[in-house]
Amino acid sequence: AQSVAQPEDQVNVAEGNPLTVKCTYSVSGNPYLFWYVQYPNRGLQFLLKYITGDNLVKGSYGFEAEFNKSQTSFHLKKPSALVSDSALYFCAVRAYSGAGSYQLTFGKGTKLSVIP
Amino acid sequence: DGGITQSPKYLFRKEGQNVTLSCEQNLNHDAMYWYRQDPGQGLRLIYYSQIVNDFQKGDIAEGYSVSREKKESFPLTVTSAQKNPTAFYLCASSVHTGQVNTEAFFGQGTRLTVV
Repeated sequence: AQSVAQPEDQVNVAEGNPLTVKCTYSVSGNPYLFWYVQYPNRGLQFLLKYITGDNLVKGSYGFEAEFNKSQTSFHLKKPSALVSDSALYFCAVRAYSGAGSYQLTFGKGTKLSVIP
Repeated sequence: DGGITQSPKYLFRKEGQNVTLSCEQNLNHDAMYWYRQDPGQGLRLIYYSQIVNDFQKGDIAEGYSVSREKKESFPLTVTSAQKNPTAFYLCASSVHTGQVNTEAFFGQGTRLTVV
């Protein structure tokens, strides 16, 4: 069965500094990886995805993520954090679950706080 | 605007009552999903549907029921058998469950509280 781990419940970073939110995964077969962001009492918004190709994926709002197959990681990064980036971030992996269906499995989320 | 609409935003339920959460999408997506979100536990899959008149149990289906009579609609009923229903419920859709390269789109959620 596939799984996703986000080892940090919370990440604090000063505004203007680079940020990293960590994600590792376990899946049999090829991984299809996603990052979502959630603001308080709202749904999830898609940020970026890795399906195949370049290991560095660029997404919305200046975010990017680096896929590392040997370390089974897909860390989310941004060169310069904004206060408005403060939110809950979810990593997810899509893997085959049988009957022709691929399901998303989510990590537990990492709360990012950007300090002014 | 295309998207997913969940209603109501807030819902209060008395002990022993069934309640139904609405989810409508106009994205022409085949697949729809219901997730439950609890603090510190991420999202857990309740039910999903790949096509009209078909749905499958997810990881935590006990105490919940769904229907998929129309492509656009996937309502979730939280029954009295669900012992701890207080949570944030998220509906999502995607083009098709068999298509790996597409992301899921989420509604704004319904916060259910048992009173």
